[in-house]
Amino acid sequence: DVKVTQSSRYLVKRTGEKVFLECVQDMDHENMFWYRQDPGLGLRLIYFSYDVKMKEKGDIPEGYSVSREKKERFSLILESASTNQTSMYLCASGRTVNTEAFFGQGTRLTVV
Amino acid sequence: GNSVTQMEGPVTLSEEAFLTINCTYTATGYPSLFWYVQYPGEGLQLLLKATKADDKGSNKGFEATYRKETTSFHLEKGSVQVSDSAVYFCALRKNNAGKSTFGDGTTLTVKP
Repeated sequence: DVKVTQSSRYLVKRTGEKVFLECVQDMDHENMFWYRQDPGLGLRLIYFSYDVKMKEKGDIPEGYSVSREKKERFSLILESASTNQTSMYLCASGRTVNTEAFFGQGTRLTVV
Repeated sequence: GNSVTQMEGPVTLSEEAFLTINCTYTATGYPSLFWYVQYPGEGLQLLLKATKADDKGSNKGFEATYRKETTSFHLEKGSVQVSDSAVYFCALRKNNAGKSTFGDGTTLTVKP
């Protein structure tokens, strides 16, 4: 079974802190994604990566950065956390050709 | 660009009722189509998929048929159970494209 593991289920951080969300996949997928999910707004793509050290902005990249130093790991970084970044964050991975995405269990981040 | 429009929720049904959740899409070419399900507190998981016109995806009693002429991929189940209560997302993915396009999600509640 494909496994996508996010480092934390729940996280509480203070405004202004630098926050790292980690995601690891074990199926050698080329593509990895970070989404945020908010009530009434569905899933919104923050960043994605199609190869090591490669990244592309999604729909809402402002306030976020990412890092992909190894194929299996994709990190989302909140440079200076703000309360409007309180959300559920979902990591996903998948192959390039025509297949489904595999999701982690999600990290519920609260910024106070 | 690509887009997915899902039936707005929430949807509330009694156990053993028939379920339909509508999904239509806009995309050039021949995308693959997916339904994902998200149970409370979890990430998304693939429910079913179809990769070409007239394909029918099915899983756990759910079905959806890829209708190119109406650009639709409606989700159906003949008899829902309380355990089907979840959020359902319709999505598309173009061939060889990295990212998917998701609908806003439809919340289903099944009451005993």
